[in-house]
Amino acid sequence: EADIYQTPRYLVIGTGKKITLECSQTMGHDKMYWYQQDPGMELHLIHYSYGVNSTEKGDLSSESTVSRIRTEHFPLTLESARPSHTSQYLCASSEIGVVDGELFFGEGSRLTVL
Amino acid sequence: AQSVTQLDSHVSVSEGTPVLLRCNYSSSYSPSLFWYVQHPNKGLQLLLKYTSAATLVKGINGFEAEFKKSETSFHLTKPSAHMSDAAEYFCVVIPTGGYQKVTFGTGTKLQVIP
Repeated sequence: EADIYQTPRYLVIGTGKKITLECSQTMGHDKMYWYQQDPGMELHLIHYSYGVNSTEKGDLSSESTVSRIRTEHFPLTLESARPSHTSQYLCASSEIGVVDGELFFGEGSRLTVL
Repeated sequence: AQSVTQLDSHVSVSEGTPVLLRCNYSSSYSPSLFWYVQHPNKGLQLLLKYTSAATLVKGINGFEAEFKKSETSFHLTKPSAHMSDAAEYFCVVIPTGGYQKVTFGTGTKLQVIP
């Protein structure tokens, strides 16, 4: 089992609410990632970080934001949720470059915006 | 540019029979290739990876995959399916040069019939 945790696992909220999806890992990995997963679609990278105070946008445009104040913590925030944000969000981390290394995934946060 | 094509969105096999999940890729650089498995309501877990060493790669739970450069394929196989293999499987390609973007396939759902 990977030591990477996401909370909440499931969240149903109304339009316009602010939400934060938490992601923590205890493996000391510098690199962390957020992916968006929809049924029948490939996973899309929406944010990544190569270390503390480093955040970058991924390949898929997202209205969410992230922060990396501590190595082990990489939260994702939506200031004003909309139904189009309904999706599963997967957090991942890696020790070394992804070319040679393994991505460790959390169990996901499934967000439903009504 | 790179892409991953998982040729079957759903595969159904009987318990005890062989499993074949197909993956074709394209990449401008020599790729690293991975297979991940996702059980229901779980995160993705690495099954196996190819990083330019032996072309036949053995993974966990009896799975293996063969890298065939001439066919640009990286098919996943297992001689005998078990009920616990029922899950979704993702093929992943990462080029070893240029911008090392991680590209996921759209997934293949494996159903194992008792």
